[in-house]
Amino acid sequence: DIQMTQSPSTLSASVGDRVTITCRASQTISSWLAWYQQKPGKAPNLLIYDASNLESGVPSRFSGSGSGTEFTLTISSLQPDDFATYYCQQYNSYSPYTFGQGTKLEIK
Amino acid sequence: EVQLVESGGGLVQPRGSLRLSCAASGFSFSSYSMNWVRQAPGKGLEWVAYISSSSYSIYYADSVKGRVTISRDNAKNSLYLQMNSLRAEDTAVYYCARAYGRNSAFDFWGQGTMVTVSS
Repeated sequence: DIQMTQSPSTLSASVGDRVTITCRASQTISSWLAWYQQKPGKAPNLLIYDASNLESGVPSRFSGSGSGTEFTLTISSLQPDDFATYYCQQYNSYSPYTFGQGTKLEIK
Repeated sequence: EVQLVESGGGLVQPRGSLRLSCAASGFSFSSYSMNWVRQAPGKGLEWVAYISSSSYSIYYADSVKGRVTISRDNAKNSLYLQMNSLRAEDTAVYYCARAYGRNSAFDFWGQGTMVTVSS
């Protein structure tokens, strides 16, 4: 199975900061990667699909990049609503879907 | 409005069985693949099972293979997960999530239903 490794596991930042979360795949997944945001007690919410496409309704401060095995999620200017846990997920059709372990974004 | 509403969770003893349901509305259910994803308390997300729009293709995570069965009834706009031989490590919130196909992100999720396996 394809392993997904996110870094960092925890990130402390302030409102207005630019932050980047990295996700690495154990083998190439082309651009079959999504990013989700999850708040406590809530279901995950899709932010980015196919590595770099912004889901409808998601603020433009979120962006994704990468292909192959290395991917990033960037939030250009953190807002109070952005403090949450973020997960990457690969959906390569020749492998079981797998998620990263999550990155908790905390207020500094 | 797109809605996915899970039900059927609860407390079950080890080696017991449970059937989860996911009722879909607000979209063309028969056009979408569906998935079950679970999250143990305080842990990350784990994909459990996938079923294509026509039920032709079905896949399971190794952790549940042989113990769970995913199915759907397009006429009833419903998705199911039959879980047997439950173990303590199956304790989790179970979410249903839709995807357009096999190579698609999960663009909408239900609110989840809690399954607790304990004696």
